[in-house]
Amino acid sequence: GQNIDQPTEMTATEGAIVQINCTYQTSGFNGLFWYQQHAGEAPTFLSYNVLDGLEEKGRFSSFLSRSKGYSYLLLKELQMKDSASYLCAVRPPYNQGGKLIFGQGTELSVKP
Amino acid sequence: SQTIHQWPATLVQPVGSPLSLECTVEGTSNPNLYWYRQAAGRGLQLLFYSVGIGQISSEVPQNLSASRPQDRQFILSSKKLLLSDSGFYLCAWSRGGENNEQFFGPGTRLTVL
Repeated sequence: GQNIDQPTEMTATEGAIVQINCTYQTSGFNGLFWYQQHAGEAPTFLSYNVLDGLEEKGRFSSFLSRSKGYSYLLLKELQMKDSASYLCAVRPPYNQGGKLIFGQGTELSVKP
Repeated sequence: SQTIHQWPATLVQPVGSPLSLECTVEGTSNPNLYWYRQAAGRGLQLLFYSVGIGQISSEVPQNLSASRPQDRQFILSSKKLLLSDSGFYLCAWSRGGENNEQFFGPGTRLTVL
């Protein structure tokens, strides 16, 4: 089966750092993705991890531990525009059309 | 550059009416194509995916169907809508193969009354 867990919502302060966790139990694993989705808009791609470790991209970093079935998205120097839903998604093994299984998303509110 | 289009942007339909949502991709060939549905405040549920013309894989049994009549065209249909079909429908594409990120269209917000 497939199970992906994220906190439903988080609140943080402008300029601070926030870590959004994602745990997964899936039938096989071929990569983990993070997407950002502002209200009423389509998701946009943030990061991709397939090997253990940290991937850094500007203010955003993503970490993966395959043995623990765990990932986190780290947002630094938070800005008001970072208020959005953050979606964790797992890619199953090959021969499934590259499909993604999404978690329910974490609604992040950035306060002044 | 690649772009993905969906229409209509919003749709209000009565229960029992038919549905046709269209998605087209420009600037790429042989993409993988996907249909997702997102209920209010929820994550994305994969409905269908396609790796080529006429090839459709269904993820969730329901009263929806999908077709891919052309390489860069993906259509979501229903013969009779249910109230539970309301939601935000997103089409996405990725480059052929298994290791590429997905890019989403602007979505269609469907309300079934």
